[in-house]
Amino acid sequence: GAGVSQSPRYKVTKRGQDVALRCDPISGHVSLYWYRQALGQGPEFLTYFNYEAQQDKSGLPNDRFSAERPEGSISTLTIQRTEQRDSAMYRCASSPTSSPPYEQYFGPGTRLTVT
Amino acid sequence: AQKVTQAQTEISVVEKEDVTLDCVYETRDTTYYLFWYKQPPSGELVFLIRRNSFDEQNEISGRYSWNFQKSTSSFNFTITASQVVDSAVYFCALSERYGGSQGNLIFGKGTKLSVKP
Repeated sequence: GAGVSQSPRYKVTKRGQDVALRCDPISGHVSLYWYRQALGQGPEFLTYFNYEAQQDKSGLPNDRFSAERPEGSISTLTIQRTEQRDSAMYRCASSPTSSPPYEQYFGPGTRLTVT
Repeated sequence: AQKVTQAQTEISVVEKEDVTLDCVYETRDTTYYLFWYKQPPSGELVFLIRRNSFDEQNEISGRYSWNFQKSTSSFNFTITASQVVDSAVYFCALSERYGGSQGNLIFGKGTKLSVKP
């Protein structure tokens, strides 16, 4: 079946602009996660959802970052007033459930470059 | 606090050599899960294995094997008879059942494996 998809795959934006990154999880997966991966590093947790409820947003760096999953399926990660330090690969993952933790299946990522 | 350490930043081997990638973890939770992911040059993250803290049996899947030792908080990954297609960055990750991460994956920094023909 279809895996996790993300769009856009690449996004170049100017400093100060808002961006919205989209994630479409595997059908039927309850849990959806957002991670950020800097070059040469492992992914770092940002936030996650079970169905439409945001369970944990402790990894969001500041209040310019927000995420939603209004119908329990597709999710959007929004970064307002982007800064150069926001440049990274943003990855989405989904899993059947979060409790107990199952393997997470990752999308191809969105490469964000802020100029 | 939870943490995953992959001390080997880069490893280079010649095809057909065996190679072991080390992973050491820290957690206060008694129930936790360990994972390995592969990130080939194309960039995607590919799930390899999930083990829970109650199952210390070693696992073998083809040329891949995993050695889980709670006594040393390690979950090492061995590739036997390595092939060029094994060249990738390999990440070890931890997820706690009840602790702070509760389902989120805490990744190590990864080990870059280069297999030369």
